Amino acid sequence: GAVVSQHPSRVICKSGTSVKIECRSLDFQATTMFWYRQFPKKSLMLMATSNEGSKATYEQGVEKDKFLINHASLTLSTLTVTSAHPEDSSFYICSATRTGIIQPQHFGDGTRLSIL
Amino acid sequence: SQKIEQNSEALNIQEGKTATLTCNYTNYSPAYLQWYRQDPGRGPVFLLLIRENEKEKRKERLKVTFDTTLKQSLFHITASQPADSATYLCALDHSGGGADGLSFGIGSLLFIQP
Repeated sequence: GAVVSQHPSRVICKSGTSVKIECRSLDFQATTMFWYRQFPKKSLMLMATSNEGSKATYEQGVEKDKFLINHASLTLSTLTVTSAHPEDSSFYICSATRTGIIQPQHFGDGTRLSIL
Repeated sequence: SQKIEQNSEALNIQEGKTATLTCNYTNYSPAYLQWYRQDPGRGPVFLLLIRENEKEKRKERLKVTFDTTLKQSLFHITASQPADSATYLCALDHSGGGADGLSFGIGSLLFIQP
């Protein structure tokens, strides 16, 4: 159990395009989902925490107007990279946790975003 | 500043031996610590979680220790196999609240030689 699906797995698009990434928990309800970004040879960096039915909490230095997060249901969170530029190219990964304190996170397989 | 340090150099281990990876942290007071496995181009896969009041946790061939005085966790794989080759990530709860996102180390690359 605890499967998280992320879609799409890879996106290549032109500068200025907005890109939406979906994260779904397939076999459990996720009150909280997280969005991370990983650059080559670097550690995963937490971007934001997404809570169902409320506004996302963004980490310092992450622009909320640039990275729009919507968590409309207990099984789906979306990240939209608005007006993407080459510097936004990265590996974006979501995770979800079951309800309760101190739960492991279950990760999707990531989205490789390349902005030309 | 907060840091999570893992061996940046790849570790090469002979099949059948025990692999030991280290995670040191500074300026954190984590409620728990987790270890994940990450394969190239994939998301991390959860392995073990150990709480601040636990010294050791085991799962099959895996063992994790957690020393909050030394601010260190050790991750052991016994009877290692080539399929264990991957990057192993140490992660702490982001702000000590127990329900937050994670702060990750850069990961330790492990190669198990057949």
